[in-house]
Amino acid sequence: GQQLNQSPQSMFIQEGEDVSMNCTSSSIFNTWLWYKQDPGEGPVLLIALYKAGELTSNGRLTAQFGITRKDSFLNISASIPSDVGIYFCAGQLEASGTYKYIFGTGTRLKVLA
Amino acid sequence: ETGVTQTPRHLVMGMTNKKSLKCEQHLGHNAMYWYKQSAKKPLELMFVYNFKEQTENNSVPSRFSPECPNSSHLFLHLHTLQPEDSALYLCASSHPRTGGSGSEAFFGQGTRLTVV
Repeated sequence: GQQLNQSPQSMFIQEGEDVSMNCTSSSIFNTWLWYKQDPGEGPVLLIALYKAGELTSNGRLTAQFGITRKDSFLNISASIPSDVGIYFCAGQLEASGTYKYIFGTGTRLKVLA
Repeated sequence: ETGVTQTPRHLVMGMTNKKSLKCEQHLGHNAMYWYKQSAKKPLELMFVYNFKEQTENNSVPSRFSPECPNSSHLFLHLHTLQPEDSALYLCASSHPRTGGSGSEAFFGQGTRLTVV
């Protein structure tokens, strides 16, 4: 099946550092979404991107929709301990009016106080 | 609170049992999804329903049987599962954006299923 390559798989960072993660695909997507998942919970939507080249922020989070529509990145500035969790990208495909989301493998973030 | 509610949150079942997972959304969305999340694997799309009609079955074994009686409710009926079916099962819903393409999916909290 289709997959998104997400990197890095995991990262340990110091509190206050900036974080960057990205997703790439061989497919073109019309929407990119970024989610955070805490243990035992469902993914929570952080940022949605709808246009190639779009740059969107949500507090300390910034994400961009790649120009080729095959990639996206997420930056977290000045990380804090509650940023710990797994971050997923998702690309949306549309076929016959149905929206289908393909997810990346996730980036596990650990923040050291 | 995302507006998508899943019950139960945890379920332990034997391989000969029959059980059902329930998902309910109060967002007015017209599409609903079942995903499976196993350890160290990406979220795997299982089923998609659009306006109560199944539009995607991602080669899911027949021991998983979805049901969508209306746009707000989605069920996953489970029968003679295997231990490798143990996973977090996530429900999501979405709705096309007004005046543009694309949509956002909102997830429930998931059902942690253990098959013994």
